[in-house]
Amino acid sequence: GNSVTQMEGPVTLSEEAFLTINCTYTATGYPSLFWYVQYPGEGLQLLLKATKADDKGSNKGFEATYRKETTSFHLEKGSVQVSDSAVYFCALLNQAGTALIFGKGTTLSVSS
Amino acid sequence: DAGVIQSPRHEVTEMGQEVTLRCKPISGHNSLFWYRQTMMRGLELLIYFNNNVPIDDSGMPEDRFSAKMPNASFSTLKIQPSEPRDSAVYFCASSWFGQGGAETQYFGPGTRLLVL
Repeated sequence: GNSVTQMEGPVTLSEEAFLTINCTYTATGYPSLFWYVQYPGEGLQLLLKATKADDKGSNKGFEATYRKETTSFHLEKGSVQVSDSAVYFCALLNQAGTALIFGKGTTLSVSS
Repeated sequence: DAGVIQSPRHEVTEMGQEVTLRCKPISGHNSLFWYRQTMMRGLELLIYFNNNVPIDDSGMPEDRFSAKMPNASFSTLKIQPSEPRDSAVYFCASSWFGQGGAETQYFGPGTRLLVL
């Protein structure tokens, strides 16, 4: 079945460091892929998405490229800020296109 | 738009009591989702509706849980009787699903439930 695997956290970085959060997926076909972010005490918000292979999603300095060869959708940011501290979820759209399947989330903590 | 609205934001109850969580989706959306988030199990999809009809409730933990969507602007998730292991944050989300497939899901702020 469909599934998403994210790197275990927490990830702890200093401000302005480079960020990578790994995400790989198992799915039939080429589903749409998403990164959601959850700030403390809030619901999840869409950060970026990619709907087909080789697409690059980007938002707020974050990027992720849909790699079908490696079934991956790694999240990257060149210079993190304290305000980026949050939990990041990778997700894919199920085959029916009706529901998201989430990874377990990766906690990012950025210190100044 | 006000976004997805959930109530209450916090609920503390005693084991055995009935708990009802409420959700108002974004106007115009036709799909609604209930999720549960815990440290141990992460984010779990409990049930989702399309055009007010339950499509997949395979994530509902057991018969103590039930969900309804009587109209396009309101849904409830009920736990009866509640147990301490039901303590979690419950999220509602909505989206538009059409011929082009599902679009972005928008999440509510969640209801933090504590069962003593």
